[in-house]
Amino acid sequence: QSVLTQPPSVSAAPGQKVTISCSGSSSNIGNNYVSWYQQLPGTAPKLLIYEDHKRPSGIPARFSGSKSGTSATLGITGLQTGDEADYYCGAWDSSLSGGVFGGGTKLTVL
Amino acid sequence: DVQLVESGGGLVQPGGSLRLSCAASGFTFSRYDMHWVRQATGEGLEWVSAIATAGDTYYPASVKGRFTISRENAKNSLHLQMNSLRAGDTAVYYCARGVPGGFDIWGQGTMVTVSS
Repeated sequence: QSVLTQPPSVSAAPGQKVTISCSGSSSNIGNNYVSWYQQLPGTAPKLLIYEDHKRPSGIPARFSGSKSGTSATLGITGLQTGDEADYYCGAWDSSLSGGVFGGGTKLTVL
Repeated sequence: DVQLVESGGGLVQPGGSLRLSCAASGFTFSRYDMHWVRQATGEGLEWVSAIATAGDTYYPASVKGRFTISRENAKNSLHLQMNSLRAGDTAVYYCARGVPGGFDIWGQGTMVTVSS
């Protein structure tokens, strides 16, 4: 049972937009930054979004992050088959004094 | 290039010990918090430990008292001493560089298998 809650799967057609939600509480998302990671099969996770909405250099603007209260959202526009991957949200939890992740969302580009 | 390379994984019996290492290059290691994150096969990510630049350490309840994170800034190295290992500790272990609100650099991972 993950501290952060994500939908197990989402899907959309190439070229379309998809959003992935991440729900937490005041001890994590509500008062700490959220980050998002993409994990392609057989590879290490890759940072997509940090500090709720910032993109590291090299991450396309098709990827965006937002946060409201105790929930965060990852948006991906102009979907490509190469975007098929598992996506995880993460945050620091002040009550646990540790990092927490969502259970992951598998994106299928139909 | 900024890089993290883990080593030390392998097969260990339940109750045994293992020491993982992570070699950092391409950045000033001492200026960053560092973390270990693990992933069991087919499962999600689980944060395992953190060590701050000042040396403060943090662990989840699942490994507290069994795992010890440490760093050697002079050698640009991060370590994870794992004792009293259980089958549930079987996973790929990643070291990751911490930045505000996330982990920006990840190693390729090292596999730890706890089995008799």
